[in-house]
Amino acid sequence: AQSVTQPDIHITVSEGASLELRCNYSYGATPYLFWYVQSPGQGLQLLLKYFSGDTLVQGIKGFEAEFKRSQSSFNLRKPSVHWSDAAEYFCAVGVYNTDKLIFGTGTRLQVFP
Amino acid sequence: DARVTQTPRHKVTEMGQEVTMRCQPILGHNTVFWYRQTMMQGLELLAYFRNRAPLDDSGMPKDRFSAEMPDATLATLKIQPSEPRDSAVYFCASGASGLAGGPRTDTQYFGPGTRLTVL
Repeated sequence: AQSVTQPDIHITVSEGASLELRCNYSYGATPYLFWYVQSPGQGLQLLLKYFSGDTLVQGIKGFEAEFKRSQSSFNLRKPSVHWSDAAEYFCAVGVYNTDKLIFGTGTRLQVFP
Repeated sequence: DARVTQTPRHKVTEMGQEVTMRCQPILGHNTVFWYRQTMMQGLELLAYFRNRAPLDDSGMPKDRFSAEMPDATLATLKIQPSEPRDSAVYFCASGASGLAGGPRTDTQYFGPGTRLTVL
């Protein structure tokens, strides 16, 4: 069965520092992968997605993610974090031949000035 | 800027009362999803529709929850009777289904949610 694991429940970084949020998936075929962000009191917003092609994907707000098939990973990165990036981040995998997504449990990012 | 809208944004009710949550998907989207988010369970898919037809409601407690799409511009989620354990944030999302293979819906666009408190 497909699954998504986000090993880090909570991450704290200083403003200006680099960021990497981990995501591992379990999926038999070529995965369709997504990163969403949820700010407090808001719905989820798509940051970026990977379907095929270049394994380094650029998203909104300066985020990028790299698909590594050998490691079953799709980690999210940002070179310099801003205080406004404090939020919860969800990795998700699309379920083949359905409209459904399987979401990870989320990583809460805290940014210190 | 097209958005998914949800009403009400907040609802406080007493146990046993009926609760109806409404969602207006983005115009032109043909898939609609209902999710529930709690601290303990995270984000759970309750039900979803494609072209107004229910495709999967396996995540929904059948005895008290019901989801419908009376028309393409309105999706509803009802709880009757409500219980304290139903307290959560309920999200609606919409998307466009049509990809060949893979997940049929490309991106899901989420509404702001309805925060439900059942006393």
